[in-house]
Formats: sequence, structure tokens, C-alpha cells
Amino acid sequence: QQPVQSPQAVILREGEDAVINCSSSKALYSVHWYRQKHGEAPVFLMILLKGGEQKGHEKISASFNEKKQQSSLYLTASQLSYSGTYFCGTPVGGATNKLIFGTGTLLAVQP
Amino acid sequence: DVKVTQSSRYLVKRTGEKVFLECVQDMDHENMFWYRQDPGLGLRLIYFSYDVKMKEKGDIPEGYSVSREKKERFSLILESASTNQTSMYLCASSSLGRADQPQHFGDGTRLSIL
Repeated sequence: QQPVQSPQAVILREGEDAVINCSSSKALYSVHWYRQKHGEAPVFLMILLKGGEQKGHEKISASFNEKKQQSSLYLTASQLSYSGTYFCGTPVGGATNKLIFGTGTLLAVQP
Repeated sequence: DVKVTQSSRYLVKRTGEKVFLECVQDMDHENMFWYRQDPGLGLRLIYFSYDVKMKEKGDIPEGYSVSREKKERFSLILESASTNQTSMYLCASSSLGRADQPQHFGDGTRLSIL
């Protein structure tokens, strides 16, 4: 079943923070995060493999709560370059590289 | 850097035609994927291949087939194109692993079926 992402869309001013959530009705083995800028290919951001794991990439970080079957992506002091659609992906049926992606969260950062 | 190359950025075909979408990766990845991307629906997996000549159906395989004769090349085939197959198609590849390998995407092919 497809992970649910929230919010569906968010508009920010430069310098503001945002949180994107990804929830699954099934147990999560890992969570992948990708960003797709308009007209471009999705680009890998990070993978979280263990419950409680947190990772960071520049001012973008993520956490993984295995018990709650959810992950959150944190964008701090957002920049114009953060605009795009963010997708979470979770493995289908456990430890496999076949992912099922959420429907995406559109993030627009304005000057 | 991993390079995943899709043969066309834009393609226009007619209903009933047989359509081939080609994807080539240069990193010797075992896994290759074809996705369809539609507004509000995210990325949906059409087919997955984990080795030459090996394939698995994804969530929406109806109306599609795939071919993987060489490790670096994965083709998506629309047997008889229909207007509801108008969409953005994305190819991806990854190393063999257990849910810990990132997927690398091509730029996509925007396909219109008239």
C-alpha cells in the first residue's frame, strides 16, 4: 500500500522551516527520500535504515520512527533551491530494493 | 556519477502503435525499474528487473511489457498504445542490495498518445 505523505503542498518564504511526513500502514524496513525539481529527474537525498535513525544532508535532515511506521523530513532555513516535489519510498515486502513511493509533497520556496 | 539515459525526452505516438522506450545505465547496476508518473499519483512501478532476462511485475503492468537482453539496457514496450498511457515515464537503476541502495533516475520520457 502506498505511503501517505503530508502535507500535499506547502509554500514557504526563504529562511522558513518545513516538515514533510511519510506514514505507512505496514511495517517499514527502511525509508528513502528523493527530491524532484520541475522538469528534472528525481534525485536521491537519503536512506534511513534503522528505527530511531536520523540523518542530515546540508540543512535537510530526516528521522525514522519504526514503531510509528513513519518518517519525517526536516528542511531548515529553506532556500530557493529547495523547491520541488519530495517523495518518500519504502520497500515492498521487507528487505528489497523494489520501492513503493508516496504521492509526493510539493514544496515552493518564495523570495 | 551514475548516468541513466532515456532515449527520448518527448515522444508523440498514435493509438494502436507499438511503442518502445529505451533506458541505458552506465554503472553496471543489477536492478532496473520503469515507473509511470502522473499528477497526484506519485511514482508507480510498472516493471522491475534484477538481472538479464529476469523481470517482475510492478503495481501497474497491464498494457506494458519489458525486455532486458543486456545488463545495461532495459526497454519498456507498449504493445498497443492507448490514450490512457499518456504520461511521464521514468527509468531508474540501483545496485543489488537489501533496501539500502539508492535508485538513480533518468530524465524521463514524456509520452503523448493521440
